[in-house]
Amino acid sequence: QSVLTQPPSVSAAPGQKVTISCSGRNSNIGKNYVSWYQQLPGTGPRLLIYENKKRPSGIPDRFSGSKSGTSAILGISGLQTGDEADYYCAARDDTMNPEWVFGGGTKLIVL
Amino acid sequence: QLQLQESGPGLVKPSQTLSLTCAVSGGSISSGGDFWTWIRQHPGKGLEWIGYIYYSGSISYNPALKSRLTISVDTSKNQFSLRLTSVTAADTAVYYCARDAYDSRHSFDYWGHGILVTVSS
Repeated sequence: QSVLTQPPSVSAAPGQKVTISCSGRNSNIGKNYVSWYQQLPGTGPRLLIYENKKRPSGIPDRFSGSKSGTSAILGISGLQTGDEADYYCAARDDTMNPEWVFGGGTKLIVL
Repeated sequence: QLQLQESGPGLVKPSQTLSLTCAVSGGSISSGGDFWTWIRQHPGKGLEWIGYIYYSGSISYNPALKSRLTISVDTSKNQFSLRLTSVTAADTAVYYCARDAYDSRHSFDYWGHGILVTVSS
């Protein structure tokens, strides 16, 4: 069972917006930055969002992140079929048990 | 552009030692500010942080694996390695190396492609 809690799946039609939640504790999300990763089928994870809401170069502004208290949200607008993937949230954990924790992943289905 | 590439055997027998290496190119592992990390993903499952090493040799391990785990760094070859002893089928996973940009992006900003390691006799 993952330390951070994500919904197993979300779905929406092309062009629509979807949000993926990530819930944790004060020791991880509450006190540390949240990052989000996209894993397309058969590939390794790719950084989508860092420091709660910043996007690396090359990541379109359709992807957004936010954090409030011990929860974070990934938003994806203007959905495309190519966005169909697994999405993971992550944060450091001050308990150091372990030092980094992940969400269980959310499968985005673009209908 | 930083690149990471995992290498090692794809099949390990139970009770033996799993050894992987991550070669870093396009940047120096000794530049500082980054933790060089191993992460694994069991088949069809989520991500699990294994541990990291700093270029100076400082380490942090997942307590669940600590008794079997060694992560080392070779700055002369610009690579770091993972060694996991007494493996079982539960260690079958895709193993990724990644950069933990501790001093900057506070995230795993570069990843290797991953290597599938199967533990089986």
